Amino acid sequence: DGGITQSPKYLFRKEGQNVTLSCEQNLNHDAMYWYRQDPGQGLRLIYYSQIVNDFQKGDIAEGYSVSREKKESFPLTVTSAQKNPTAFYLCASSRGNSNQPQHFGDGTRLSIL
Amino acid sequence: KQEVTQIPAALSVPEGENLVLNCSFTDSAIYNLQWFRQDPGKGLTSLLLIQSSQREQTSGRLNASLDKSSGRSTLYIAASQPGDSATYLCAVRSSSSGSARQLTFGSGTQLTVLP
Repeated sequence: DGGITQSPKYLFRKEGQNVTLSCEQNLNHDAMYWYRQDPGQGLRLIYYSQIVNDFQKGDIAEGYSVSREKKESFPLTVTSAQKNPTAFYLCASSRGNSNQPQHFGDGTRLSIL
Repeated sequence: KQEVTQIPAALSVPEGENLVLNCSFTDSAIYNLQWFRQDPGKGLTSLLLIQSSQREQTSGRLNASLDKSSGRSTLYIAASQPGDSATYLCAVRSSSSGSARQLTFGSGTQLTVLP
């Protein structure tokens, strides 16, 4: 089945540690996105990528980094500079056309130890 | 900057009732509006996508309408079932923002359908 796979489902970070969240899609979509969701709030865009080897900052990029070396993969690193990383992280993808819907993975829940 | 509001934040109805969820947005320059469903601890499932040129979209018991000029969309759920219990999110893709591929989300309406 085509879809978006996020791993791990749960992740714990120690103080001063960088952690990387995985997002893989086999939908042959050009665009990929990372969102953060806090309790009772909507999603906020962290980073997005429209094509391989290109990505742009979203509304809350500080303390995060990404790479897009392959079309299928868009990993997100939560760095030690992100002081409040506890949240639910969602990855999405879509075709390149702005009229196409975004499809989401099942998310990764990140907590601080 | 686009802002999306969903009212009410929570809604509880008895099974079988028809219901309407509301979404409003501040900038009418949009490509489309998308309704999603989110179950607890899960990702988002796309329900309906309405292009800016469309007035409504239907899928089964769901009907979404769009009034771009007034900045409003509604999601109508007919004959609600306990399985419809979830959080419903709307999101708009603005055509006036820096990137046409960014979605702006509302904070959602948490729906509970009582058996």
